[in-house]
Amino acid sequence: NAGVTQTPKFRVLKTGQSMTLLCAQDMNHEYMYWYRQDPGMGLRLIHYSVGEGTTAKGEVPDGYNVSRLKKQNFLLGLESAAPSQTSVYFCASSYWLAANTGELFFGEGSRLTVL
Amino acid sequence: KQEVTQIPAALSVPEGENLVLNCSFTDSAIYNLQWFRQDPGKGLTSLLLIQSSQREQTSGRLNASLDKSSGRSTLYIAASQPGDSATYLCAVRWNNNDMRFGAGTRLTVKP
Repeated sequence: NAGVTQTPKFRVLKTGQSMTLLCAQDMNHEYMYWYRQDPGMGLRLIHYSVGEGTTAKGEVPDGYNVSRLKKQNFLLGLESAAPSQTSVYFCASSYWLAANTGELFFGEGSRLTVL
Repeated sequence: KQEVTQIPAALSVPEGENLVLNCSFTDSAIYNLQWFRQDPGKGLTSLLLIQSSQREQTSGRLNASLDKSSGRSTLYIAASQPGDSATYLCAVRWNNNDMRFGAGTRLTVKP
């Protein structure tokens, strides 16, 4: 029972490099989310998706892009990494709100360092 | 603006004590509220989920209450144990697709 899986778990980048974080869920959830967590600031929403082929901006979307080509996968991309993007990134998913409780399930996190 | 606040930021108690963690939120028109636990370097584990129509939820030694009119939720932990030491996060979903988090309360239970 995998739940929400994030890859990679750790990554070090140089300023200006690009990378993609992959989130995969096996619970057939419609909704998927990318958050970042910084010390003392809680989790902030970057982008989210309410279904395959749809994405939307969250609270802190600048510098990130996302894609949801398949229902089970949600990709977070950094086109040109900056030191301010050093953070721990969490993916989460939930069922469609109207028909379910909306309980959020999280992955283990991906720690990204930008030098 | 929809915001979630958790006070205190850190709490230290001796083993066996009952304790209360607080969460407050702006805009009472919430969809649900969820309490999570996070251990250092780990992901978030869901503890309790309260729907907007509910007043409280219980799981073992944990009890979460919700008072929408005052914009508050509390997480009560009975007979605390050292294994309860972790950061506790409150998250609120309003009637949109966004879920906002508080900064968390770091709990230390001393043996």
